[in-house]
Amino acid sequence: GAGVSQSPSNKVTEKGKDVELRCDPISGHTALYWYRQSLGQGLEFLIYFQGNSAPDKSGLPSDRFSAERTGGSVSTLTIQRTQQEDSAVYLCASSLARRSAQYFGPGTRLTVL
Amino acid sequence: QQQVKQSPQSLIVQKGGISIINCAYENTAFDYFPWYQQFPGKGPALLIAIRPDVSEKKEGRFTISFNKSAKQFSLHIMDSQPGDSATYFCAASSGGTGANNLFFGTGTRLTVIP
Repeated sequence: GAGVSQSPSNKVTEKGKDVELRCDPISGHTALYWYRQSLGQGLEFLIYFQGNSAPDKSGLPSDRFSAERTGGSVSTLTIQRTQQEDSAVYLCASSLARRSAQYFGPGTRLTVL
Repeated sequence: QQQVKQSPQSLIVQKGGISIINCAYENTAFDYFPWYQQFPGKGPALLIAIRPDVSEKKEGRFTISFNKSAKQFSLHIMDSQPGDSATYFCAASSGGTGANNLFFGTGTRLTVIP
């Protein structure tokens, strides 16, 4: 079946603009994770969804970051008032259940000018 | 604070050789240890994973060795091929009631020379 998909694959924006990143998890996967991959910080956890609820938002770096998940499927990560330090690859992963293997999408490369 | 420490940062191996990447952790609550392979421009792909109730797991040319008392685990790639050239990440997560999010090592860039 299809893997995790993310869109857009690349996003270039100007400092101060808002961006929305989309993740389509593997069908039937109840758990969904967002991670960020940057040169300076490596791969770091941002937020976890179980169904439509986000019981763990501990990795979100600031209140400019938010995420939602609807219908237990698609998730959107929103970054408001983007800053240059937000430039990174944003990765989404899904798993069948909370303690199951996580499968990653191809990521969205965000560049903030 | 890096919860999972990975070495080496880069590794060059001749075709047919054995590639060995090492990871260490401190959090004894970790109970799941996957390895991911990442090619440029792609997301990490799950390669192999182990839980601490076994000391070794083998899948094809890839083997995880796990030492619970030393809090270390390693990836061995036998008969390394040029197609194995990629960045490898070890990771760890803990169960319990939390998110089970992965804590990643800093990655090892493997180059296999033909």
